Amino acid sequence: GQQVMQIPQYQHVQEGEDFTTYCNSSTTLSNIQWYKQRPGGHPVFLIQLVKSGEVKKQKRLTFQFGEAKKNSSLHITATQTTDVGTYFCAGHQGGNQFYFGTGTSLTVIP
Amino acid sequence: NAGVMQNPRHLVRRRGQEARLRCSPMKGHSHVYWYRQLPEEGLKFMVYLQKENIIDESGMPKERFSAEFPKEGPSILRIQQVVRGDSAAYFCASSQGNSPLHFGNGTRLTVT
Repeated sequence: GQQVMQIPQYQHVQEGEDFTTYCNSSTTLSNIQWYKQRPGGHPVFLIQLVKSGEVKKQKRLTFQFGEAKKNSSLHITATQTTDVGTYFCAGHQGGNQFYFGTGTSLTVIP
Repeated sequence: NAGVMQNPRHLVRRRGQEARLRCSPMKGHSHVYWYRQLPEEGLKFMVYLQKENIIDESGMPKERFSAEFPKEGPSILRIQQVVRGDSAAYFCASSQGNSPLHFGNGTRLTVT
């Protein structure tokens, strides 16, 4: 069945360092979404990528969708303490089903 | 424009009791999803419903768990005869078509 894996599971960085999380699907996706969950909170939608090779930026966040539409990455430049949380990718493969990755928990050390 | 409403926020049940979790989707959304999250773990899909229909329940345990989304009123996730292992955060999300998911604040279930 559909599987979406994310690495790393945990990441600790010093404030100001960069951070990247990677998402890999076992099958080709129609689109991929990214969500952020703050500690004690609920997942909040960040962005959706649809096209092969697509790159989108939101301030210090850069999202990429692989050419084969099976992998994606989220890169944060110069992390801040407000970036703390768990980042999930969610693969969409037609229909209305979303397959969430295992998440990457980011800790930023001031 | 109210978001996804879940209640209760916290629910404590003793082993063997029933837990009922409610979710009202965003206005205009007809797709409801339930996810379960254990502490420091990911979101595990449970069930996907549209009004009066269960579309995909492949993530639901075969026993004790059921879900519905009636024509009128909220979606309900029901857990019968709860056990300690059911303790988790249960998130509801809604969408319309291929739009992104909007999550509720979740219900934290504790089984004592």
